[in-house]
Amino acid sequence: KNQVEQSPQSLIILEGKNCTLQCNYTVSPFSNLRWYKQDTGRGPVSLTIMTFSENTKSNGRYTATLDADTKQSSLHITASQLSDSASYICVVSSTTSGTYKYIFGTGTRLKVLA
Amino acid sequence: GAGVSQSPRYKVTKRGQDVTLRCDPISSHATLYWYQQALGQGPEFLTYFNYEAQPDKSGLPSDRFSAERPEGSISTLTIQRTEQRDSAMYRCASSLARTDTQYFGPGTRLTVL
Repeated sequence: KNQVEQSPQSLIILEGKNCTLQCNYTVSPFSNLRWYKQDTGRGPVSLTIMTFSENTKSNGRYTATLDADTKQSSLHITASQLSDSASYICVVSSTTSGTYKYIFGTGTRLKVLA
Repeated sequence: GAGVSQSPRYKVTKRGQDVTLRCDPISSHATLYWYQQALGQGPEFLTYFNYEAQPDKSGLPSDRFSAERPEGSISTLTIQRTEQRDSAMYRCASSLARTDTQYFGPGTRLTVL
C-alpha cells in the first residue's frame, strides 16, 4: 500500500533554533517528492520538489534531502522564525501508465516560540 | 488570474442535498487537482484533470462524487445526496504541468447537517 509517514507529529522549538522533519514513504513507482508548508486555515504552499535523481534542494532557510534508496526525505529548517509555525506536509507522487497519484502525509505541526 | 480561486468559501447543506463546488485555476495552468481535507489532516487526492481530460478519478470516495472541466479551465466538483461524512474542506490546486508546483486555492468548507 502506498503510504507516506511523517515524524514527529508535532514539534516545539525556540526561535533561532534548527530542526529537521522526517518523511518515510512506501510509494511505488516513485515520481517526485514535495514538501509543503500549510499555515492554519490556509492552503498548502510548495517549498520544494525533488525527483529521483536529486539528493538535496534548498529554498531559503529550508533544505530538503531525498534518499531514494531508503525512501526517506527530510526537511531541515535553519534559524527558525516565529512565522515558521505551521504544518509541514510531505507529498509523494506516483505515476502509472501516465496517470499520477499524490499521496499526502499527515504532516508535522511545528510551533516556534519566542 | 492572480491565483486559484474557489467558490463558495463556505457551504452548509442538509443531508441528501446535492452541492456543486467551483474552482478557477490559474489561467495558464493545464493541470487541475481536487483534494478533500479533513480537519487536522493532510489533503486526500480525489481526482485531477489535464486540460479537459480526467486521467485519474480513483480518489473519488464514491459514485456520488463527480468532477468536470469541460473547457479545460474552470472545474466543478459535485457531490450528490450529501452525507455528514462528506463534511470537509475541499481544496483545488493547479499547476502548469503534472510535474510542476501545485498552487492551492483557499478551499471550500462544506458542512453537511
